[in-house]
Amino acid sequence: DAGVTQSPTHLIKTRGQQVTLRCSPKSGHDTVSWYQQALGQGPQFIFQYYEEEERQRGNFPDRFSGHQFPNYSSELNVNALLLGDSALYLCASSSGGTASYGYTFGSGTRLTVV
Amino acid sequence: AQSVAQPEDQVNVAEGNPLTVKCTYSVSGNPYLFWYVQYPNRGLQFLLKYITGDNLVKGSYGFEAEFNKSQTSFHLKKPSALVSDSALYFCAVRGGNQGGKLIFGQGTELSVKP
Repeated sequence: DAGVTQSPTHLIKTRGQQVTLRCSPKSGHDTVSWYQQALGQGPQFIFQYYEEEERQRGNFPDRFSGHQFPNYSSELNVNALLLGDSALYLCASSSGGTASYGYTFGSGTRLTVV
Repeated sequence: AQSVAQPEDQVNVAEGNPLTVKCTYSVSGNPYLFWYVQYPNRGLQFLLKYITGDNLVKGSYGFEAEFNKSQTSFHLKKPSALVSDSALYFCAVRGGNQGGKLIFGQGTELSVKP
């Protein structure tokens, strides 16, 4: 049973560019959430997708956007990259639109903005 | 405002000794509480959760946590630490009316020495 799969594992982008990160949820899960983990910090909630809609959003600017596909996989897009966007981006899946029973996290995508 | 505090950046324990990693929280409604562990360059691994019921929760790898409503705490414990327990530990909370959003603490680095 595959867990949460994220791609790519690492990437380097230049300030001002755009990036797309991808996530496939654990089998049986229909809800995907994205978190940003800066170095030395705890993960910060970006947003959650359920039934192909953004259901909840954290305190992140509109440069951060996402999408969920009919197969429950998800993308995180970040436009106009800033140096401060450098972080580990974690995807987490759950079921039923809530995290009552906790999330399953992927291994993350390490984004470096230079 | 909803928040999680992990008052210790680092906890040092000798192998075989008991360990405690502290967590306090502030949330509206009944809390859903979680502990996750993160190894270097990896995502988060679920250890245990408290939703309701018995205040002492048992989880993976011999870890347990005690929910204390009056002290708004959810400390992680293990009777006998192993060197392989060395990792970064995160406490997280979801408020009863917060949908799927998890709020994480800053993390506690656990170091277990032989």
